[in-house]
Amino acid sequence: GAGVSQTPSNKVTEKGKYVELRCDPISGHTALYWYRQSLGQGPEFLIYFQGTGAADDSGLPNDRFFAVRPEGSVSTLKIQRTERGDSAVYLCASSPLSRGVDYGYTFGSGTRLTVV
Amino acid sequence: AQKVTQAQTEISVVEKEDVTLDCVYETRDTTYYLFWYKQPPSGELVFLIRRNSFDEQNEISGRYSWNFQKSTSSFNFTITASQVVDSAVYFCALSEPGGSNYKLTFGKGTLLTVNP
Repeated sequence: GAGVSQTPSNKVTEKGKYVELRCDPISGHTALYWYRQSLGQGPEFLIYFQGTGAADDSGLPNDRFFAVRPEGSVSTLKIQRTERGDSAVYLCASSPLSRGVDYGYTFGSGTRLTVV
Repeated sequence: AQKVTQAQTEISVVEKEDVTLDCVYETRDTTYYLFWYKQPPSGELVFLIRRNSFDEQNEISGRYSWNFQKSTSSFNFTITASQVVDSAVYFCALSEPGGSNYKLTFGKGTLLTVNP
């Protein structure tokens, strides 16, 4: 597609439920990043994929969070046993190569997750 | 550890005024990159500019200009003759090379409101 697509745009879930957030990067972009943006804050790094593998998952807050990118394109961020503190906008970005600083990151519009 | 500080939480100006958004960063690396992103109400992060740590030349792009000063670890952003469409949250971000992963550390953002 022309840009990074994230679905759903909004998700409301009950505490304790499982959710999946999807990111469809720009075609051909090998690097994919997930960030989380809490209200009034800047985005915070969660995980980085280079191709199919998670090259850096140091930003995932705990083991309830997991992400996959099985075919090196679409990525899914999975959150188990959701908590109210997980409420945030989850942003996805992609770039042509791992050196996103040279080629620019393109961000999607995000998924707003609300845990009630 | 890297850190980005945007001391101005909110700024309100009247159209055609000039406005400067401040950004101060902390890093132990000698090689790094600095960015400014714009986040309009739609939520998508829009890339504005990237500078590397070896290039301290100021830059002007239309109504936008950037002042990078390594001596004070600052990377300030000025909008000249502001317009209502400039209203958005503006983020300063820092990237340090960690292997092949150029993840970004964002400031908390400055909400700019340009009133007609």
